[in-house]
Amino acid sequence: GAVVSQHPSWVICKSGTSVKIECRSLDFQATTMFWYRQFPKQSLMLMATSNEGSKATYEQGVEKDKFLINHASLTLSTLTVTSAHPEDSSFYICSAPSGRGQFFGPGTRLTVL
Amino acid sequence: QKEVEQDPGPLSVPEGAIVSLNCTYSNSAFQYFMWYRQYSRKGPELLMYTYSSGNKEDGRFTAQVDKSSKYISLFIRDSQPSDSATYLCAMSPPNTGNQFYFGTGTSLTVIP
Repeated sequence: GAVVSQHPSWVICKSGTSVKIECRSLDFQATTMFWYRQFPKQSLMLMATSNEGSKATYEQGVEKDKFLINHASLTLSTLTVTSAHPEDSSFYICSAPSGRGQFFGPGTRLTVL
Repeated sequence: QKEVEQDPGPLSVPEGAIVSLNCTYSNSAFQYFMWYRQYSRKGPELLMYTYSSGNKEDGRFTAQVDKSSKYISLFIRDSQPSDSATYLCAMSPPNTGNQFYFGTGTSLTVIP
């Protein structure tokens, strides 16, 4: 199946700083990628749809100025959590569709102190 | 009403048991149906993919889709402790720009 990578896998930062998470499709091109957030023992919550060459589409209740998304190329989307606070601590997962199905990255665990 | 409903469990079974995981949905336009397995602190992994109604078997896993009832199932035969994970169903209609709809996930524990 298609492979999606994420970097970093785990990041700890101080409150008020910004953190960038990368999502890459390794063996296929993705004009669309999705960003999810997952709290412990809860399901995936779609945050936004990243579109190559155009603005991201954010789900209701997700602050676009706080969660900046840039789909720089057909294989790379980045999520920047700006001015992070402890409540932003979560597991962030990206995915990209390829042929049959949608393929997820391994996730990035963000801890904001 | 949510697009996709899935019992969150938790579900606990002894090793070797047959496990049945289910999802219901409300959108009759859904044509593509998927099951994902997610281990703790990992991204979901695609297990099974089914188009429209019918059954699909892959090793110990069988996926069933009943579009008339808007009901899908994943069966795991001879369950193993390594099957302990959260299982998410997902589905999508055709021609929607890759929009997928996920269930909340069912937590499964297989006890040795």
